[in-house]
Amino acid sequence: QKEVEQNSGPLSVPEGAIASLNCTYSDRGSQSFFWYRQYSGKSPELIMFIYSNGDKEDGRFTAQLNKASQYVSLLIRDSQPSDSATYLCAVMSGGSNYKLTFGKGTLLTVNP
Amino acid sequence: GAVVSQHPSRVICKSGTSVKIECRSLDFQATTMFWYRQFPKKSLMLMATSNEGSKATYEQGVEKDKFLINHASLTLSTLTVTSAHPEDSSFYICSAADRDTEAFFGQGTRLTVV
Repeated sequence: QKEVEQNSGPLSVPEGAIASLNCTYSDRGSQSFFWYRQYSGKSPELIMFIYSNGDKEDGRFTAQLNKASQYVSLLIRDSQPSDSATYLCAVMSGGSNYKLTFGKGTLLTVNP
Repeated sequence: GAVVSQHPSRVICKSGTSVKIECRSLDFQATTMFWYRQFPKKSLMLMATSNEGSKATYEQGVEKDKFLINHASLTLSTLTVTSAHPEDSSFYICSAADRDTEAFFGQGTRLTVV
């Protein structure tokens, strides 16, 4: 059974702080890793994807991947109240069918 | 990012009727489309994967005769909930991908069966 684990939260941070979201996965054959943001009642939207070990930065977001530890994280710098949402980690197994396994999500609350 | 349009966004239907949900990729060809179901405060549950021109692959526990999926073209997939019951009320979300893009989600459909 391929699993993706996330702390359900809620994670509360003050405005301007760094929010750190973590995710572990069980399938060592996983090749691609995605972070989605989902506002209540809305569909998920892609924030970042990462394929290689190390860090990938995009604006205020940094994704970190460590395949040896089967761990992927998302850092949000200068957190804003508008970042308050559920963040879903998704993992794609090997192959080209883009089948994603989702974690249950972490609820982030950024307090003004 | 790429645009995936899902319609309708909300639908209320009577128990026993069928509801069709459409998912369209507007600016790319979607060789693969995925249908998810999401309960309140829960993660997405993959229901089925469909490839253009072939039968959908359903996940374990998903009734293929109840949730009919058609992927007739590279830009359109449909999910039909047949003989809907109140327990089918949920948020249904499609996503679409081709070989060169990540999977993008539609806006979701809130189905309420009364």
